Amino acid sequence: KNEVEQSPQNLTAQEGEFITINCSYSVGISALHWLQQHPGGGIVSLFMLSSGKKKHGRLIATINIQEKHSSLHITASHPRDSAVYICAASNTGNQFYFGTGTSLTVIP
Amino acid sequence: DAGVIQSPRHEVTEMGQEVTLRCKPISGHNSLFWYRQTMMRGLELLIYFNNNVPIDDSGMPEDRFSAKMPNASFSTLKIQPSEPRDSAVYFCASSPLGVAGYNEQFFGPGTRLTVL
Repeated sequence: KNEVEQSPQNLTAQEGEFITINCSYSVGISALHWLQQHPGGGIVSLFMLSSGKKKHGRLIATINIQEKHSSLHITASHPRDSAVYICAASNTGNQFYFGTGTSLTVIP
Repeated sequence: DAGVIQSPRHEVTEMGQEVTLRCKPISGHNSLFWYRQTMMRGLELLIYFNNNVPIDDSGMPEDRFSAKMPNASFSTLKIQPSEPRDSAVYFCASSPLGVAGYNEQFFGPGTRLTVL
């Protein structure tokens, strides 16, 4: 069993739709990270959070420590949001555990 | 700052050859990570260093892989001898070592390795 599980693996949405990607983890963590990777591109850190909620533009990340669950929401989705979104958990030893990623395609 | 720098960006080699991947972390960052990404297995941590010291190399596939960090501004990942199954994108990332475990990682652009 992976320490970090994401769902769904693949997601297709129409432009403008509200999108949710889920992440569950089984390890003790210091922080939960959401990363974005565009096709053929590098990896960018979107959020790092250890409690509550963070918002950046149309992206919102939430975490429930008790339930060991985090969600990434995208409001008013746009084709440029098409990418792979990766959830990762880090612990006090600075070690990172990665989910397998969610491939998002937003259709115009 | 230029961000994390990796070289080469692309490498094509033949089975059995030695491959060396290079990484320059962001200045001031104390932690450095080497990852491998494939379609089948996603992103995998190979090894990471804190203050130039290897902390966890349990992700290194086998003895053919080795990593060094001789100083705070340079690290190498070496594969000798290389095999076709080593074909992947190799990412280097660095982070500050502030509050333990609560540090954002900054990724390099990756090295796409193809072993024929």
